Amino acid sequence: GNSVTQMEGPVTLSEEAFLTINCTYTATGYPSLFWYVQYPGEGLQLLLKATKADDKGSNKGFEATYRKETTSFHLEKGSVQVSDSAVYFCALSVRHTGTASKLTFGTGTRLQVTL
Amino acid sequence: GAGVSQTPSNKVTEKGKYVELRCDPISGHTALYWYRQSLGQGPEFLIYFQGTGAADDSGLPNDRFFAVRPEGSVSTLKIQRTERGDSAVYLCASSSQGTANYNEQFFGPGTRLTVL
Repeated sequence: GNSVTQMEGPVTLSEEAFLTINCTYTATGYPSLFWYVQYPGEGLQLLLKATKADDKGSNKGFEATYRKETTSFHLEKGSVQVSDSAVYFCALSVRHTGTASKLTFGTGTRLQVTL
Repeated sequence: GAGVSQTPSNKVTEKGKYVELRCDPISGHTALYWYRQSLGQGPEFLIYFQGTGAADDSGLPNDRFFAVRPEGSVSTLKIQRTERGDSAVYLCASSSQGTANYNEQFFGPGTRLTVL
């Protein structure tokens, strides 16, 4: 079956520090990979995605590269801000038929950025 | 509306009772998903609708759970004989139908269900 493993939190960083949140996956077929973010009091939002091997997804200064050889999709940001404090979820989907596919999520990593 | 809406935002019920959770997807979105998020966990897939029909209900945990989408828009998740283990945040998401490899799922704020 499909599964996603991501590093446990919480991760606490000072503002402007470098961020890495590790994510590895197991999937049957060829998955698309995603990072979702949940800010306090808000719903899940798509942060970035990559749909094939070696693709790099990027948004709001965050990046993640789809590494098929290591089955990984680590999230990185060069300089975090207090406003990045949130819970980050790694997820995958495997398209079977049609254009819609269910998402399989990791357990989430809470990031706390302090001044 | 502009986004996916879910009602109620909070629901407290007693063990053994019946509950209904409602989801209003983004207008025009043909795909609708239900997920369940337990405390400290990521969302887990329950069921997916394409139009009015349930295209994949493999995530429903047992026959106490049922969902409908009679007109291809609003969906209701129904839970019979609730148990304390059903306590969780129930999330709804919708996406458009298209030819892209992946159509982004837009999530609602969730309904927090507490079974006493």
